[in-house]
Amino acid sequence: ILNVEQSPQSLHVQEGDSTNFTCSFPSSNFYALHWYRWETAKSPEALFVMTLNGDEKKKGRISATLNTKEGYSYLYIKGSQPEDSATYLCAFAGSARQLTFGSGTQLTVLP
Amino acid sequence: ETGVTQTPRHLVMGMTNKKSLKCEQHLGHNAMYWYKQSAKKPLELMFVYSLEERVENNSVPSRFSPECPNSSHLFLHLHTLQPEDSALYLCASSQEGGSGDIQYFGAGTRLSVL
Repeated sequence: ILNVEQSPQSLHVQEGDSTNFTCSFPSSNFYALHWYRWETAKSPEALFVMTLNGDEKKKGRISATLNTKEGYSYLYIKGSQPEDSATYLCAFAGSARQLTFGSGTQLTVLP
Repeated sequence: ETGVTQTPRHLVMGMTNKKSLKCEQHLGHNAMYWYKQSAKKPLELMFVYSLEERVENNSVPSRFSPECPNSSHLFLHLHTLQPEDSALYLCASSQEGGSGDIQYFGAGTRLSVL
C-alpha cells in the first residue's frame, strides 16, 4: 500500500498572505507527481504534473517544487486570494497507470 | 466545464436496487477512470479503461460493474449495494492513460445507499 501524506490537513490564511503545503510520497519507483485543485461542488482541476527531480513549475501565483530523492513536493501560493479557497490534492504515480492520492489540504482564504 | 460530464449528480438507492452511473468525455481521450471518495478518505481508484479495455481493477467488489462501450463513454453499474458504498463517485479521462497524463475529472455523482 502506497502512502501519500499531505500536510497540513487544513489551514486558514488572511487575504494577501503567502502559504505552502507539503506532499510526502515514496521515494522509490517514482514516475510522476500531480497537483490538483478541487473547489467545493466542482471538478478537480490539474495544476501541475511533475516528473523530474528538482522540477519547479509555476502558474500565476501558484508554484510547486519536487524532490524525488527524499519524497516530497511543496505547493506555494503567493498573495492568497479568496478564490484560492479549495482543497489541494497531490497524487503519486509509481506505476504505469495508477495515481495514489493524498487526503488533501483544505485552504480557506479569509477576506 | 472540463469536458467530462457525469450523470446523475445525486442518486439515492435502496440496497436491492440496480442503477447505473454514466460518464461521457468530449476530449478525444483514450483512457477513462472511476474513482471513489468516501467521507474523510482520499480518492481511491476503482477501474481504469484504456482503448475500451479494462486495464486495472483495484479489488473492487463485484457489486460494482464497469462498462466502457467506446472511448467516450463509461458506465458504472450498481447492484445490491451496501450503506458503506455511499460516497462520491468521480469519473476522469486522460489522453493515453500514462502516469504523466493530466486527468480531467467530472463533477461526480453523490450516491447514498439506504
